Amino acid sequence: AQTVTQSQPEMSVQEAETVTLSCTYDTSENNYYLFWYKQPPSRQMILVIRQEAYKQQNATENRFSVNFQKAAKSFSLKISDSQLGDTAMYFCAFMKHVLGGGSNYKLTFGKGTLLTVNP
Amino acid sequence: GAVVSQHPSRVICKSGTSVKIECRSLDFQATTMFWYRQFPKKSLMLMATSNEGSKATYEQGVEKDKFLINHASLTLSTLTVTSAHPEDSSFYICSARDSGELFFGEGSRLTVL
Repeated sequence: AQTVTQSQPEMSVQEAETVTLSCTYDTSENNYYLFWYKQPPSRQMILVIRQEAYKQQNATENRFSVNFQKAAKSFSLKISDSQLGDTAMYFCAFMKHVLGGGSNYKLTFGKGTLLTVNP
Repeated sequence: GAVVSQHPSRVICKSGTSVKIECRSLDFQATTMFWYRQFPKKSLMLMATSNEGSKATYEQGVEKDKFLINHASLTLSTLTVTSAHPEDSSFYICSARDSGELFFGEGSRLTVL
């Protein structure tokens, strides 16, 4: 079974600064996907960024980027130029790759990191 | 992106009654949907995988007779909490896959008195 660990229950950052959220995972799989989801106070889960394990290049989405270290099983999220709207719970998630997909799109979530962006 | 809608967003019921929560894919067809439960300030726990036209697959420790899942069409899955008790109070979230990406509903907060 897979496990996802987020060791920072809470973090805070000043507006416009950069913050990094940590995530480690444990798996025996070789092909898988990693995700960061954001859950603002509205509770709507929003995909922030996604990384395929077979890709060596770190994924980036505007102000969001990841540092994916496959050997170390580490997947951290960097948020640059933090904005007040980034205040949310952030979840790291794992999904193993299965040919054909279908019902195997099951996510394993970490416990989350509550990020507060201060003005 | 694709839209997944849940209804109701909030429901309060008396202990012993049953409550149905709907999850709809609004602009795509979803043969598979997933139901999660989230306790306050906690992570999401997968409860079951809902498969259109067949029985749901429940995760270990989830009572299938208490949490009935029906996926009768390609755009609708329902979760019925039967004989609800206060410990069933929680936030329930569904998700569905479209073009290789998972989309989540807004969630439904259940409070059992």
